[in-house]
Amino acid sequence: AQTVTQSQPEMSVQEAETVTLSCTYDTSESDYYLFWYKQPPSRQMILVIRQEAYKQQNATENRFSVNFQKAAKSFSLKISDSQLGDAAMYFCAYRSNEDTDKLIFGTGTRLQVFP
Amino acid sequence: GAGVSQSPRYKVAKRGQDVALRCDPISGHVSLFWYQQALGQGPEFLTYFQNEAQLDKSGLPSDRFFAERPEGSVSTLKIQRTQQEDSAVYLCASSVHRDREYYNEQFFGPGTRLTVL
Repeated sequence: AQTVTQSQPEMSVQEAETVTLSCTYDTSESDYYLFWYKQPPSRQMILVIRQEAYKQQNATENRFSVNFQKAAKSFSLKISDSQLGDAAMYFCAYRSNEDTDKLIFGTGTRLQVFP
Repeated sequence: GAGVSQSPRYKVAKRGQDVALRCDPISGHVSLFWYQQALGQGPEFLTYFQNEAQLDKSGLPSDRFFAERPEGSVSTLKIQRTQQEDSAVYLCASSVHRDREYYNEQFFGPGTRLTVL
């Protein structure tokens, strides 16, 4: 079975600075997707960024980028130029491309942004 | 509609009561998912529908949990004889369809917070 681990329950960053959230996962599959979701207090899960496992190039979306290390099964999220609106829970998630589309989530990292 | 909607947003039930949680997916979305998110945890998969067919119910924690999507649109998650451990946020998500060649994003609703006293 696949598992996703987020070892940082809480992180904090100063506005305009950079922060990196860690995620590791375990799978025996070769075809899968990885995601970072943001969940603000409103509870609505918002997709931040996704990475296809077959792509070697790290995904980027504006201020968000990932460091995908397939052999190490590591998938970290870097937030550059942090903004107050980035404060939320961040969840790392895995989706097999060999099974149903269900997402497997980590336990989350709460990110605080200080002015 | 503009997004996935869920009702009610909050539900308080006495232990032993039955509850029904509703999910309205984005119009035209074939795939629908239910997740359970306990306090301080990440969401955990409960069940998956493709149109009206329930293709995966491996995450349902007990036979007290039942989900349906009879016309391939609105879905209802029913919990019978609720227990305190059922207290959680129940999230619904929908996506266009399943396609191995292209990723179809799951869009989440705001969830229903269930509290069992």
